[in-house]
Amino acid sequence: DAGITQSPRHKVTETGTPVTLRCHQTENHRYMYWYRQDPGHGLRLIHYSYGVKDTDKGEVSDGYSVSRSKTEDFLLTLESATSSQTSVYFCAIGGRQSSSYNEQFFGPGTRLTVL
Amino acid sequence: ELKVEQNPLFLSMQEGKNYTIYCNYSTTSDRLYWYRQDPGKSLESLFVLLSNGAVKQEGRLMASLDTKARLSTLHITAAVHDLSATYFCAVAPINTDKLIFGTGTRLQVFP
Repeated sequence: DAGITQSPRHKVTETGTPVTLRCHQTENHRYMYWYRQDPGHGLRLIHYSYGVKDTDKGEVSDGYSVSRSKTEDFLLTLESATSSQTSVYFCAIGGRQSSSYNEQFFGPGTRLTVL
Repeated sequence: ELKVEQNPLFLSMQEGKNYTIYCNYSTTSDRLYWYRQDPGKSLESLFVLLSNGAVKQEGRLMASLDTKARLSTLHITAAVHDLSATYFCAVAPINTDKLIFGTGTRLQVFP
């Protein structure tokens, strides 16, 4: 593994509640990403970060916010969870700092169920 | 709209046979990645293809990239059961640090 952990690994919550997922890396990569994986859609980018306090939207960012106050941590927040946000969430790290130009390495995933 | 299309979406093949998975993309890119995912697990990087004509091989898998045709292939030689997994290609559009993933090809190898 590339030194990436996600917490929690599983979560069940109710519609309308806030949820925060955490991604922690020990690799000092500049870039961090949040994806969601749903059947028939592959992985879709939610938000990404290119440095501390520098974030940008991906293709499915509505309903999600992120924060990065330290290089090693990238938080994904669902302000008011909906059933359509039931998914598996993956964090990834990457960056232009190796011969494998911006190769991304993935965390173990968080399975979120919104009832 | 940027699109990455894989085919087939599902592939059931007999051990010992050869087959190819195709990845077509609609944007200009010089970087393409192949990942493997086992059920319930994370994604594992298989190949990074960085230029037109790039070819990488690892065991029974070989990946190639044709940037002019916007096509990558993942060729499986003499399949074995351990190769059963879902395979994703992902494309990095020029001058971005984002990846666009295909929907994946679920490979099942049977005796």
